[in-house]
Amino acid sequence: GESVGLHLPTLSVQEGDNSIINCAYSNSASDYFIWYKQESGKGPQFIIDIRSNMDKRQGQRVTVLLNKTVKHLSLQIAATQPGDSAVYFCAENIGDGGSQGNLIFGKGTKLSVKP
Amino acid sequence: IAGITQAPTSQILAAGRRMTLRCTQDMRHNAMYWYRQDLGLGLRLIHYSNTAGTTGKGEVPDGYSVSRANTDDFPLTLASAVPSQTSVYFCASSVVYPGDTQYFGPGTRLTVL
Repeated sequence: GESVGLHLPTLSVQEGDNSIINCAYSNSASDYFIWYKQESGKGPQFIIDIRSNMDKRQGQRVTVLLNKTVKHLSLQIAATQPGDSAVYFCAENIGDGGSQGNLIFGKGTKLSVKP
Repeated sequence: IAGITQAPTSQILAAGRRMTLRCTQDMRHNAMYWYRQDLGLGLRLIHYSNTAGTTGKGEVPDGYSVSRANTDDFPLTLASAVPSQTSVYFCASSVVYPGDTQYFGPGTRLTVL
């Protein structure tokens, strides 16, 4: 079956640097993508989303880029802070309204911010 | 607004016992979901409900049941717990189904001995 995957399971960055977390997806029918942040002992928290008719979307300190040609999604965090340390998940909606709850989650990338 | 609440926060349960995990949302979302999260396996969908009165099976439904009597509540029941059901369970909700952002509760950590 098709699944969402991540290029890097762990990422360590210096405080103040920019972080880039990558995600590959394999379902060309996916039309909606979400990034979640999960801190230790907590539930996933919505960060930002993007629909397939867009290439880029910006939020506060975060930017999501979508490259449909190579089926690649990335999350960029500007001026990374210690509070950004968490596991980041990408999720895709396969868009067929099927019975699987429609969101497929990646395994996650752990971001560690060094002070 | 509390969002999504789950209870209990954690529980240790003897194998064979029955257990209900509670989930309540106050956002009037139509859809609700139950996931389990296991190390190395990520989030896996157990059951979902696209609107009050209807439920559906997810990726790993065996050993679990749900009900959706009203919009706000979506309890998950383990009829006879087994050690392989040891996991962290997350409830989520979304305004509409499908194709909408899901918002998650804080989770319930369940250990079955």
